[in-house]
Amino acid sequence: DAGVIQSPRHEVTEMGQEVTLRCKPISGHNSLFWYRQTMMRGLELLIYFNNNVPIDDSGMPEDRFSAKMPNASFSTLKIQPSEPRDSAVYFCASTQVDTQYFGPGTRLTVL
Amino acid sequence: DAKTTQPPSMDCAEGRAANLPCNHSTISGNEYVYWYRQIHSQGPQYIIHGLKNNETNEMASLIITEDRKSSTLILPHATLRDTAVYYCIVRVVTGNQFYFGTGTSLTVIP
Repeated sequence: DAGVIQSPRHEVTEMGQEVTLRCKPISGHNSLFWYRQTMMRGLELLIYFNNNVPIDDSGMPEDRFSAKMPNASFSTLKIQPSEPRDSAVYFCASTQVDTQYFGPGTRLTVL
Repeated sequence: DAKTTQPPSMDCAEGRAANLPCNHSTISGNEYVYWYRQIHSQGPQYIIHGLKNNETNEMASLIITEDRKSSTLILPHATLRDTAVYYCIVRVVTGNQFYFGTGTSLTVIP
């Protein structure tokens, strides 16, 4: 089992550019979560999906952020346009029954 | 809303048991206690969870008090690789929200 896979692992971009983060959950897991982690705010839940359907997106900071899950094996988190305050580590996690398993994260730096 | 209280930091000598406390005085009857840890620059890693009985696995033991208002995670023989931030979380098992709080930064000292 490869675990949750995220790409890219590191992303450096300039303010105003579009950023797309990718996640492949563990096969057979039916829930997927996107988190953001910063020193100031810790680990925050942005959005989660059950069976590919977005359930709670109340943590998404603003309209610049969007997430999709077109099928059970792939999800994207898009930021357009990006801003320096979006710099953080973004984690994806998937769940089987009652335990979340996290990916290695994408470290995003917006200059 | 983390619903748990943990000391911000702890030290432990290598080879000794590390005992990490957590207070969750408002825990409900259908809420489990979960422990995760995050080693620097990595994603959080599941350790163990329990409802009311003590639990043990290959990584750690979880001791929950009888009134369920507090718990202790025990790493029986701490190694340098156990240096990490440890998060105690209470969660309804059928819910999907994990609130991580600020955790305890454990440093294992050689």
